[in-house]
Amino acid sequence: NAGVTQTPKFRVLKTGQSMTLLCAQDMNHEYMYWYRQDPGMGLRLIHYSVGEGTTAKGEVPDGYNVSRLKKQNFLLGLESAAPSQTSVYFCASSSDDRALGETQYFGPGTRLLVL
Amino acid sequence: GENVEQHPSTLSVQEGDSAVIKCTYSDSASNYFPWYKQELGKGPQLIIDIRSNVGEKKDQRIAVTLNKTAKHFSLHITETQPEDSAVYFCAASPPGTYKYIFGTGTRLKVLA
Repeated sequence: NAGVTQTPKFRVLKTGQSMTLLCAQDMNHEYMYWYRQDPGMGLRLIHYSVGEGTTAKGEVPDGYNVSRLKKQNFLLGLESAAPSQTSVYFCASSSDDRALGETQYFGPGTRLLVL
Repeated sequence: GENVEQHPSTLSVQEGDSAVIKCTYSDSASNYFPWYKQELGKGPQLIIDIRSNVGEKKDQRIAVTLNKTAKHFSLHITETQPEDSAVYFCAASPPGTYKYIFGTGTRLKVLA
């Protein structure tokens, strides 16, 4: 049981380039989330999904797109990277079963540097 | 909008002393309050949580208290050890959303 995994661990992009961050979870969770973490600002929600085929905007969605084609995967895309998107990105997942609790389980993060 | 304030931003304590981190939330309907520990280069990990129908919860050296009237909750770590050094985040979850609003984090340093 690997929990939540993220690919890649680290990436350097040039302004204007595109890339996709992959998140995978093996806990059969319905809910998945993408956050970015910047110094002094905590974790801010970018997009989230409440089930396969669904996505919704979070607090800071601009410049990002997401897709949830399979229940276990949640992809975060940057179509045209900007230096302001330099950050550490975390994926998380949680169960929709209240009896199991609503804890979000986090992946190890992807460090992205946009030059 | 919904907001969670966390204080202090940094905290240094001597090994064996206690540490207290405080958070205040704005949405009075929030009903779930987790605390996460993040070690360097890793993702946040849940260490303790509390629901709005409980005033206090304890797990060994860690405890969380909740004051719904004042809309604040606190993390208490007793008998601190060097391995407690990390960044701690509080969060509040409004009901029915499964979303968290995070505080800005507290960097705790336990000095040996």
